Amino acid sequence: DAGVIQSPRHEVTEMGQEVTLRCKPISGHNSLFWYRQTMMRGLELLIYFNNNVPIDDSGMPEDRFSAKMPNASFSTLKIQPSEPRDSAVYFCASSPTSGSRETQYFGPGTRLLVL
Amino acid sequence: KQEVTQIPAALSVPEGENLVLNCSFTDSAIYNLQWFRQDPGKGLTSLLLIQSSQREQTSGRLNASLDKSSGRSTLYIAASQPGDSATYLCAVTLAGANSKLTFGKGITLSVRP
Repeated sequence: DAGVIQSPRHEVTEMGQEVTLRCKPISGHNSLFWYRQTMMRGLELLIYFNNNVPIDDSGMPEDRFSAKMPNASFSTLKIQPSEPRDSAVYFCASSPTSGSRETQYFGPGTRLLVL
Repeated sequence: KQEVTQIPAALSVPEGENLVLNCSFTDSAIYNLQWFRQDPGKGLTSLLLIQSSQREQTSGRLNASLDKSSGRSTLYIAASQPGDSATYLCAVTLAGANSKLTFGKGITLSVRP
């Protein structure tokens, strides 16, 4: 299996632009998670889906952030408009089940820099 | 709110040394605890997962223990090697929180040849 796939791996954009991050989970996994990692705040859960349905989006910082999962093999995290403080590494992870007995498998991340 | 603390933030040891990484959490009502490894510029890889009913898990040179009542976990690395150099993160799942993980900020380990 190729593991969790994220694109792009790096993104540099200017403040005010729209940014779309993409994720393909491991085939057969039912849960998908979006995280953000910064030096100051560490790794934070933004949102997670179970069977393509958003379960908990309490970590989404504000209305500028939105996430979708139109099918079991694809998810997007969109930031519109982007701001310099959104600069971080964004990780997508997937898990076989919605319970907590299984670990999560992380993608390589997208490094976002907003100028 | 669950808080996970890992101290120190960085550690440097000579090759061959046995070492212990510490993790503490504020809410003992956890479902499980995991240790992850993160290499520079990469994603996280799960090392060990301890369910709340367990006291420890072992994998090769790694041993993780869990003491729920005191809110502590340790990751023991035996006979450290330069290839063990990475950041090690501890994460807990609160009971009833489904799959939601709360992470510590990690300990960056450097093993000197």
